[in-house]
Amino acid sequence: GIQVEQSPPDLILQEGANSTLRCNFSDSVNNLQWFHQNPWGQLINLFYIPSGTKQNGRLSATTVATERYSLLYISSSQTTDSGVYFCAVSDVSGTYKYIFGTGTRLKVLA
Amino acid sequence: GAVVSQHPSWVICKSGTSVKIECRSLDFQATTMFWYRQFPKQSLMLMATSNEGSKATYEQGVEKDKFLINHASLTLSTLTVTSAHPEDSSFYICSARQGAAEAFFGQGTRLTVV
Repeated sequence: GIQVEQSPPDLILQEGANSTLRCNFSDSVNNLQWFHQNPWGQLINLFYIPSGTKQNGRLSATTVATERYSLLYISSSQTTDSGVYFCAVSDVSGTYKYIFGTGTRLKVLA
Repeated sequence: GAVVSQHPSWVICKSGTSVKIECRSLDFQATTMFWYRQFPKQSLMLMATSNEGSKATYEQGVEKDKFLINHASLTLSTLTVTSAHPEDSSFYICSARQGAAEAFFGQGTRLTVV
């Protein structure tokens, strides 16, 4: 099955810093989403981005499907950005099931 | 975005009993629902995919007789953990999608078996 690796696994930032999170996948995909998991376990949808670039406030994401990776950019980080970031992909088989990446655990210090 | 409601948020049960977890899509019809399991400090692992009115498709290694999934309508799926044991303690999360559209997730259920 498809493998999804995220890097870095852990990241500590000072408030106000910028960061780039990476998601690599091993096969062709037709869907990709980025999520933020808050301390209570809730998955918050950040981007639905099978290809191209999107921006939402301080966050933006880019997916280059032909090269099998996606990037999530966080600018001017805030303490509330802390948590775990996951990317998830679904392959071209048509089942629409998402396989989750390994995750990036982010901590933003005040 | 769309809302997926999962209940209960947490449950404690005795070993050997069964527990049912509900997942509802409140404002859209979910052609497909998914159930995931998450251990502490790990990623989400897909357990099964269910389509309304048909049998669930389980991932390799998931016991279908232990984790019963019913998708009775386009807005409701249930996961029943049968004869629960301490090793079934985990965080269970459901997801709902309408075709290839964006997926939405429930709040999760923290199950503790004592």
